Amino acid sequence: GQNIDQPTEMTATEGAIVQINCTYQTSGFNGLFWYQQHAGEAPTFLSYNVLDGLEEKGRFSSFLSRSKGYSYLLLKELQMKDSASYLCAVSHNTGFQKLVFGTGTRLLVSP
Amino acid sequence: GAVVSQHPSRVICKSGTSVKIECRSLDFQATTMFWYRQFPKQSLMLMATSNEGSKATYEQGVEKDKFLINHASLTLSTLTVTSAHPEDSSFYICSARDSGHTDTQYFGPGTRLTVL
Repeated sequence: GQNIDQPTEMTATEGAIVQINCTYQTSGFNGLFWYQQHAGEAPTFLSYNVLDGLEEKGRFSSFLSRSKGYSYLLLKELQMKDSASYLCAVSHNTGFQKLVFGTGTRLLVSP
Repeated sequence: GAVVSQHPSRVICKSGTSVKIECRSLDFQATTMFWYRQFPKQSLMLMATSNEGSKATYEQGVEKDKFLINHASLTLSTLTVTSAHPEDSSFYICSARDSGHTDTQYFGPGTRLTVL
């Protein structure tokens, strides 16, 4: 089976740094994605990790440890527009490489 | 690049009617597209995987006769909700897998379906 866990909600202050954790238990792991979703909109792609380590992309970074079944998304220099849900999704090496999503973390950035 | 469109963005229909939703990859070819449903404050639930030129693969608990999927070309997949009921009201989102870019799934803007 598949089990993906994320905190339900987090709050942070504008300009701060926040780390959103994701743990997973799955078979046939083929990579982990992070998506951002604003209310009423579709998810937008943020990052992809398939090997252990840190991937940095501007203000956003994502880390993966396959042995621990653990990933985090790091957001630096938070802005008000970063208030959104952040979805962790695991890709499976089935023929279609479908994604299984976590429940998402709602991040609220306050002034 | 990697733009996925979805049409319509919003639809309201009467109970018992059918609704067709289109999903297009605009600047890449997608042999595989996915259809998700999302209820308020919940995460995305995969309904089915759509493969160009073959039958769709449905997730457990999703009725294939109610949610008809057709993947007629490398850039178009359609989802038809047949005999819609109020409990089918939801946010339907498609994604297209870009096999040329780490198999990343890019999402369409979603279709909000309201069944009266």
